[in-house]
Amino acid sequence: KAGVTQTPRYLIKTRGQQVTLSCSPISGHRSVSWYQQTPGQGLQFLFEYFSETQRNKGNFPGRFSGRQFSNSRSEMNVSTLELGDSALYLCASSAGTEDEKLFFGSGTQLSVL
Amino acid sequence: GDSVTQMEGPVTLSEEAFLTINCTYTATGYPSLFWYVQYPGEGLQLLLKATKADDKGSNKGFEATYRKETTSFHLEKGSVQVSDSAVYFCALKVYNQGGKLIFGQGTELSVKP
Repeated sequence: KAGVTQTPRYLIKTRGQQVTLSCSPISGHRSVSWYQQTPGQGLQFLFEYFSETQRNKGNFPGRFSGRQFSNSRSEMNVSTLELGDSALYLCASSAGTEDEKLFFGSGTQLSVL
Repeated sequence: GDSVTQMEGPVTLSEEAFLTINCTYTATGYPSLFWYVQYPGEGLQLLLKATKADDKGSNKGFEATYRKETTSFHLEKGSVQVSDSAVYFCALKVYNQGGKLIFGQGTELSVKP
């Protein structure tokens, strides 16, 4: 069974640009969660999508948005990039029930110059 | 709010030494508790979990016991190997929060031969 796939692996952007990251969950999983990982703030929850609906949201500005498609693939978008958005963005998939474990992808490393 | 506090790293041990990484939490209600491990260049992998007080999670020689009275979930291993070198994250999930995990800052472990 293929794992969680995130593309691209690395991205370099400049301030003010926007970026879209993609996450393909494990086949059959309906929940996709996104996390931001930085050396200073650690791992922080961005949002979760379940069956194409946002189910939960973290404490990030509106520049961070996401969506989920009918095949459960998810994208997150960051508009008007700031230097502080440089981070490893991880997505995790699960079946979506209460005790299901999360499976993480290897992440997209975003550098904002 | 809900939070997780881990001992700071890096932790450097010799092979076959005993490992303890401390983790304490603050949460409303009764959270589930997790330890995740992150190897260089990879995403997070679930190491073990416990869903209620006095539960012991174990995997690959690692153990942690959910202590409600001390709000702790310390990670232990009797004899570490070089291959255990990684960053370890303690996390909690509050009931009915879907894919939202709250992580500690992470503890880097380096095991020398």
